[in-house]
Amino acid sequence: NAGVTQTPKFQVLKTGQSMTLQCAQDMNHEYMSWYRQDPGMGLRLIHYSVGAGITDQGEVPNGYNVSRSTTEDFPLRLLSAAPSQTSVYFCASSSVGVPQHFGDGTRLSIL
Amino acid sequence: DAKTTQPNSMESNEEEPVHLPCNHSTISGTDYIHWYRQLPSQGPEYVIHGLTSNVNNRMASLAIAEDRKSSTLILHRATLRDAAVYYCILRDVGPPSNTGKLIFGQGTTLQVKP
Repeated sequence: NAGVTQTPKFQVLKTGQSMTLQCAQDMNHEYMSWYRQDPGMGLRLIHYSVGAGITDQGEVPNGYNVSRSTTEDFPLRLLSAAPSQTSVYFCASSSVGVPQHFGDGTRLSIL
Repeated sequence: DAKTTQPNSMESNEEEPVHLPCNHSTISGTDYIHWYRQLPSQGPEYVIHGLTSNVNNRMASLAIAEDRKSSTLILHRATLRDAAVYYCILRDVGPPSNTGKLIFGQGTTLQVKP
């Protein structure tokens, strides 16, 4: 049982590039979320999903897109990377009565 | 989402009990009190949660005030591995708010001294 798997673990981008951060869970959880964590700060919610085909914005959605075509996958897309998006990104999944399970994070640097 | 207030940092000695406080004066009836912790360079991990009654599990105990406006996470014997940031979070499980999302605050950084 792998839990929540995030890829890649590390990534360096140039300003203006686009990329997709992958997140997959094998626990059949209906809820999935993306967070970012800047140095010395708590996690901030970017986007979340309550099921396949349903997504909504969190606290800091600008510059990011998500989609949820399957229960298992919840990719996060950076449309045009900016240095302000340098952060550690965490994906999480949960279900009714089930605490959130977090992935190990993707460390993203934008030059 | 109701907010929580935690001290920025706390210190403890190894093998001594630790009491981590959390204030949540605007808690609603459908808010569960969740605690997560984040070890260095890792994602957050679930510790414990409760609604009204005190809760115990293998990691910790959660003591909830009778008016639910505050709670305390209790680590019975702190170890060096317990050094982490501890987050107290209110999770609304009542519809239509039952989305699974969590709103994190700054948390309490716990240092454990040998």
